[in-house]
Formats: sequence, C-alpha cells, structure tokens
Amino acid sequence: GENVEQHPSTLSVQEGDSAVIKCTYSDSASNYFPWYKQELGKGPQLIIDIRSNVGEKKDQRIAVTLNKTAKHFSLHITETQPEDSAVYFCAASMSGQGGKLIFGQGTELSVKP
Amino acid sequence: NAGVTQTPKFQVLKTGQSMTLQCAQDMNHEYMSWYRQDPGMGLRLIHYSVGAGITDQGEVPNGYNVSRSTTEDFPLRLLSAAPSQTSVYFCASSYSSRVAEAFFGQGTRLTVV
Repeated sequence: GENVEQHPSTLSVQEGDSAVIKCTYSDSASNYFPWYKQELGKGPQLIIDIRSNVGEKKDQRIAVTLNKTAKHFSLHITETQPEDSAVYFCAASMSGQGGKLIFGQGTELSVKP
Repeated sequence: NAGVTQTPKFQVLKTGQSMTLQCAQDMNHEYMSWYRQDPGMGLRLIHYSVGAGITDQGEVPNGYNVSRSTTEDFPLRLLSAAPSQTSVYFCASSYSSRVAEAFFGQGTRLTVV
C-alpha cells in the first residue's frame, strides 16, 4: 500500500523567512496530494492541493510543487507570519478513493516574531 | 452548515468498556472516514464508507467497528477498549470518492486507563 514520508518533523523559522516541507510517496498510482494545517485542539484543514497532471500550484503565500518522476512533493510558505505556526500534514490519495488519504507524519512549524 | 460534528470531545474509558464515537455531517457528502492521530505518526485511516450501507477497512481497523445506515452519520464503535486505543480520533467527509477534499471534525480525545 501507499506510504508517505514527511520531513522535517519540526521546523523553526524567523518571521518573514520561507519554510519548506517535503514529502515522498511510494505508490506511483497516487494522483492527488493535499496539504493540511492543524492548529492546536482543532481538526486538520485543507490549505492547498495538487493533482498529478500539474507540476506547481500557488495560492498567495503558499505553493506546492510535485515531481512525479521522483515521487515527491513539497509545500513552500513565503513571508511566514506567527499565525502560520501549526502542524502541517501532507497526504496522498488515488483517483476514485476520494477521502481515503494516507498521511505523512506531520511537521510542527514554529514562526518566531 | 455545521460541517462535520463529532461527539463527545473528551472521553475516559476503563479497559474493557465499550463506547461509540459519534460523527455527523450536514453537507450531503457521500464519503466518510475515521482516522486516529498519535504523536509522530500522523493520521492513520481506521475505516471508511463510500455511501450508506457500504464500509471498508483502512490501515488500522482492528478493535473498531463501523456501520453507515444513513448518509449523515458514521459512528465508530470500540467493543472492548484497550490502552493502545488511547488517541485523538477524527472523522472526515468528502463530497464523493472522486472529489477528494476532506473536511474534518474537531476530534475526540479518548483515554483508556
């Protein structure tokens, strides 16, 4: 089955710096890659996603890149702000398996003012 | 719309007790799933359902039962709780198995002593 590895497990940056979180997946049939942000005491919330027919997607300060050949995808946050501090999860899924998501282990991002 | 509602928010059980974690969604979503979240392990899929009357196992199904009699509700049952089931449980729903954006509830923190 699918396996998703996520690095780093913790990341500390200064406000205004960029943050990059990387994930690799094992099953080449996976074609949907969402990123979730989880704030303390809350459920994960989708922040951006990418499908396998696209190499990069941006939404304001966040972007995701996908390298299908190498089976890895990354989350990029620019101009980080203290409110970006949270745990971030990557996940992978296959077409037709909708919300059957396989998650990475999570990255705790801390943005210091 | 309330989205995905989980009850209770917190629960303490004794080993061997049974209980049901409730999950309800009001978005007419076809796909519902249960995850558990443990430190350093991300979210792991327990069971999922692609529609009323249809359920299947995820990555870690042992010790848990589910049923889906209506589109709105997807309860998770622990028949004989064990300390290894101490975790935070999240219910999620998606519009369909082909549209993968998953919406999560706020979670149930379960402690088994």
